[in-house]
Amino acid sequence: IAGITQAPTSQILAAGRRMTLRCTQDMRHNAMYWYRQDLGLGLRLIHYSNTAGTTGKGEVPDGYSVSRANTDDFPLTLASAVPSQTSVYFCASSTGEDTGELFFGEGSRLTVL
Amino acid sequence: GQNIDQPTEMTATEGAIVQINCTYQTSGFNGLFWYQQHAGEAPTFLSYNVLDGLEEKGRFSSFLSRSKGYSYLLLKELQMKDSASYLCAVTAGDYKLSFGAGTTVTVRA
Repeated sequence: IAGITQAPTSQILAAGRRMTLRCTQDMRHNAMYWYRQDLGLGLRLIHYSNTAGTTGKGEVPDGYSVSRANTDDFPLTLASAVPSQTSVYFCASSTGEDTGELFFGEGSRLTVL
Repeated sequence: GQNIDQPTEMTATEGAIVQINCTYQTSGFNGLFWYQQHAGEAPTFLSYNVLDGLEEKGRFSSFLSRSKGYSYLLLKELQMKDSASYLCAVTAGDYKLSFGAGTTVTVRA
């Protein structure tokens, strides 16, 4: 079944630890995104990639890094997790055209203690 | 950046109609999306408006006024399964989607 797969689904992490959230899509979409969703704040863009080999910063990039080595994979890394990074993280993809809708993964719930 | 406002919560009765308003302020507006998100699930696409007017899709309709920076999502013949959050999102010059905080709709029997 085509779509976006995120892993892990849920994770509890000690502050200061490094964590990578994985995201893979099989729709051959050019653009991929990472959002975090917090109560009352909605979805906020962390990083994005318009095409393989390129990345850009979104609204809340600090403390996060991404890479886009190929079309399918777009991992999000927290180099040294802090409690304020406790959130639900959604990976999404689109064709990249301005009318392209976003397709979301099922989300990764991260708790930093 | 974009400033997107929508009500936090709305409650309606099964079979009724609910209208969710969204106002936005942005430079270089391209288009407006509505997404539905059930609790604990991923958002899913509902509608896209780029021109002024009403777009109808079954029980759901979405309206856009570019000059007023205003949109609404109309849900007709409400069903219990329509209980969800509805997210208004806009794209600007860089084509990145910016989301409002969402409106939680509760449908009561």
